[in-house]
Amino acid sequence: AQKVTQAQTEISVVEKEDVTLDCVYETRDTTYYLFWYKQPPSGELVFLIRRNSFDEQNEISGRYSWNFQKSTSSFNFTITASQVVDSAVYFCARTEGGSEKLVFGKGTKLTVNP
Amino acid sequence: SAVISQKPSRDICQRGTSLTIQCQVDSQVTMMFWYRQQPGQSLTLIATANQGSEATYESGFVIDKFPISRPNLTFSTLTVSNMSPEDSSIYLCSVDRTGAYNEQFFGPGTRLTVL
Repeated sequence: AQKVTQAQTEISVVEKEDVTLDCVYETRDTTYYLFWYKQPPSGELVFLIRRNSFDEQNEISGRYSWNFQKSTSSFNFTITASQVVDSAVYFCARTEGGSEKLVFGKGTKLTVNP
Repeated sequence: SAVISQKPSRDICQRGTSLTIQCQVDSQVTMMFWYRQQPGQSLTLIATANQGSEATYESGFVIDKFPISRPNLTFSTLTVSNMSPEDSSIYLCSVDRTGAYNEQFFGPGTRLTVL
C-alpha cells in the first residue's frame, strides 16, 4: 500500500512556540488530494485543509500554514504561536487511486503546555 | 460544511452480539464512507457505501462481519456483527458531498467497547 508517513509520534511545546508537523506520502496517482485533520481529546475529527496535487501554492489560515512540496512528496503543517487549545492528534491523509477514499497517516500527538 | 450525526455516540456490548450504527447527513451526498479507529491508532477505511449499490469493502473487511445499508442519499448504517473485544474502536462515517474531492467531513463517531 502507498503510505502516508507522519514520523513524529508525539511533540510537546510550550505555548507561543511555533511547531511544524511533518507529512510525507507515497503515491502513483497523477491526481490526488491531501488533507489535514485535527482530533481533539473529545474525539471528533475536524477538517483543516484540502490540497489539490496540482496546486503547490502554500496556504495560510490564521495561525495555520501548509507547505506542499510535490518534489519531495511532503505536505507539512505549521502552527504559529501555538496555544493550549491546539493540543490534539493531527492526521495527514491523501486520496487513493483516483477515488475519494482516504489513506491516513498514524497521526502526531501535539501537546501545548502553558 | 455538512452536518453529520451518528447514533449511538457510544455503547458497551457483550461478546457475540451485534450493533448497528446509524449515520445521518443533513443533505444528499453521493458517497459515504465508514472508517474504524482502533484505540490509539489511525483511521482505516472499512467500506464505501453508494446509494443503490452494494458497499465496496477494503481488504481485511467482509460483508458478513460489517454489513452496510445505504437506503437513500442521506442515511447509512454499519452493523458490527458477532462482536469480540478486538472490535472495540471508534467507528466514523464520512461524506464527500459532490464526489469531486471536496472537503470530506466526518461524523462525531461511535465509541464501541466490547466486553
